[in-house]
Amino acid sequence: EVQLVESGGGLVQPGGSLRLSCAASGFTLSNYWIHWVRQVPGEGLVWVARVKSDGISATYTDSVKGRFTISRDNAKNTLYLQMNSLRVEDTAVYYCARDKGSSTPLDIWGQGALVTVSS
Amino acid sequence: DVQMTQSPSSLPTSVGDRVTITCRASETIFSHLNWYQQKPGSAPKLLIYSASNLESGVPSRFSGGGSDTQFTLTISGLQPEDFATYYCQHSYYFGQGTKLEIK
Repeated sequence: EVQLVESGGGLVQPGGSLRLSCAASGFTLSNYWIHWVRQVPGEGLVWVARVKSDGISATYTDSVKGRFTISRDNAKNTLYLQMNSLRVEDTAVYYCARDKGSSTPLDIWGQGALVTVSS
Repeated sequence: DVQMTQSPSSLPTSVGDRVTITCRASETIFSHLNWYQQKPGSAPKLLIYSASNLESGVPSRFSGGGSDTQFTLTISGLQPEDFATYYCQHSYYFGQGTKLEIK
């Protein structure tokens, strides 16, 4: 089955760090662009970052630039979102999603990982 | 940045209704527009890509149209499982969502 499974969410204090994992099965991550999208419970979807299939070329929304970093382990077919200097406003459910084509349609989504930043 | 504006924000509707949701882009985006359905507690699900292409496995009562700056998602014959929130998306930008509610 083609799927993405996320892990690594949790409670962290402001200024702390957390690493989310996005494990792919049924397809090879390195063949696709992968995006991170977040959603504050009860609110809308907000794009956070994406990495190209090369695993190197990444783009981030302004509010996380310099704090969040995407990396990938091809052997584990897993993508990571390293989140540093976390802020209360980073609290959200984080989804990883596969980009399947030229109009950036996100066809496969992880189940989401809740990140809560609170003292 | 491109602004994506959906209307309405919420829509009271009934099973069997024909529903149309609109998404406007602040500049021309050609046909680079996707639609998603999201139910509470679940990840979004891709319904329509490139404005009018039905994603595999999505019922044919869902259809998309439009180009450049104005797009529509139509559900012909609303089913009970269609009560959800719908989002349009272009590249890194999402609309604010349209929630279908039971009238």
